[in-house]
Amino acid sequence: AQSVTQLGSHVSVSEGALVLLRCNYSSSVPPYLFWYVQYPNQGLQLLLKYTTGATLVKGINGFEAEFKKSETSFHLTKPSAHMSDAAEYFCAVSLPIYNQGGKLIFGQGTELSVKP
Amino acid sequence: KAGVTQTPRYLIKTRGQQVTLSCSPISGHRSVSWYQQTPGQGLQFLFEYFSETQRNKGNFPGRFSGRQFSNSRSEMNVSTLELGDSALYLCASSLAASGRVPGELFFGEGSRLTVL
Repeated sequence: AQSVTQLGSHVSVSEGALVLLRCNYSSSVPPYLFWYVQYPNQGLQLLLKYTTGATLVKGINGFEAEFKKSETSFHLTKPSAHMSDAAEYFCAVSLPIYNQGGKLIFGQGTELSVKP
Repeated sequence: KAGVTQTPRYLIKTRGQQVTLSCSPISGHRSVSWYQQTPGQGLQFLFEYFSETQRNKGNFPGRFSGRQFSNSRSEMNVSTLELGDSALYLCASSLAASGRVPGELFFGEGSRLTVL
């Protein structure tokens, strides 16, 4: 069975500092990988996704993530944090199997705080 | 282009009652998925509908059910409500028709259910 582990339920960084949110997955086959962001009282918004091809994926708002198969990781980074990045971030996987695209397995989430 | 619309946004029910939540997907999207979000369990997949057929189902009891109409609008129903059903219920729609590669899921803002 697939699972996703996000290391650290809360991460705090200073404005302008590097953001690093960690995600490790477990899957019987190489999965598709996603990062979503959720702002208070809102739904989830896709930041980026990895399906196939280049392992370094660039997303919106300056975020990027690198798929490392050997480490079963998909960590999210941003070189310089902005106050508007404060939100909850979710890593998710889905199986590259016919008709499984709508079923995502989510990690527990990491709440990012940005200090001025 | 209108986003995913969920109604109602907030509702309060008592134990034993039933509830119906509605989701209108983005125009042209035929896949609708439902997720339950709670502080303890995080985001959990409920079910996915495509072309009025349930395509995937999560590990929830039979009290949780759903359906999709010919215009792709979807409803989910929870019968015999329990305190533990208090949660944010999120609906997501996708263009992905079939196959392995998942389309981007677009989430609504959710329906927050409180069971007293």
